[in-house]
Amino acid sequence: SSEVTQDAAVSVALGQTVRITCQGDSLRSYYASWYQKKPGQAPVLVIYRKNYRPSGIPDRFSGSSSGNTASLTITGAQAEDEADYYCNSRDSSGNHVIFGGGTKLTVL
Amino acid sequence: QVQLVQSGAEVKKPGSSVNVSCRASGGIFNNYAVSWVRQAPGQGLEWLGGIMPIFGTSKYAQKFQGRITITADGSTSTVYMELSSLRSEDTAVYYCARSDVAIPPNSPPSIQNWFDPWGQGTPVTVSS
Repeated sequence: SSEVTQDAAVSVALGQTVRITCQGDSLRSYYASWYQKKPGQAPVLVIYRKNYRPSGIPDRFSGSSSGNTASLTITGAQAEDEADYYCNSRDSSGNHVIFGGGTKLTVL
Repeated sequence: QVQLVQSGAEVKKPGSSVNVSCRASGGIFNNYAVSWVRQAPGQGLEWLGGIMPIFGTSKYAQKFQGRITITADGSTSTVYMELSSLRSEDTAVYYCARSDVAIPPNSPPSIQNWFDPWGQGTPVTVSS
């Protein structure tokens, strides 16, 4: 199997730009997806297939990828963006899904 | 717009089994995959496995092989997840989520990793 890793915590000043990264060998072969998770709520898909946004997701959310690293960028972070963010990918076999450990985003 | 509606909270004894259901309403069911993801208290998201009803095929995370069974009933657009030999570490909120099916050339179909929508979550507590 394989894994994807994320920084445990990141902070950003209100209105500034923040990048959250996800690393793993499987990202060389498979797209990362990104989820926003708030306490007591189901996860919400914010980016998929590297840089597609589902309907209803603000365009301040964007994704990118290079080599074994995928990134989620929030341009002009808002207070409501404070949440845990998770990346996922398929594993090296392509048969299973793996999640990163999550990044806690604090908006200062 | 498809919605996933899960069954209610469960309290189980160690060693027993739990069966959680996920019903899809308002959209096509068979052409997609449905996965189960859980979040234990203070922990991250963890994929348990999923099913592709159109192929009748399930995939399970290695960690849960032998303890998990995911099935689907196309007539009611419902997916079921049974987890057996429960222990306290299985205490978590269990979510179902829909994704596309990947059909690569010359390879078996697989579950795509972009999950949308999600069910509302089912708390499962394992305690003696």
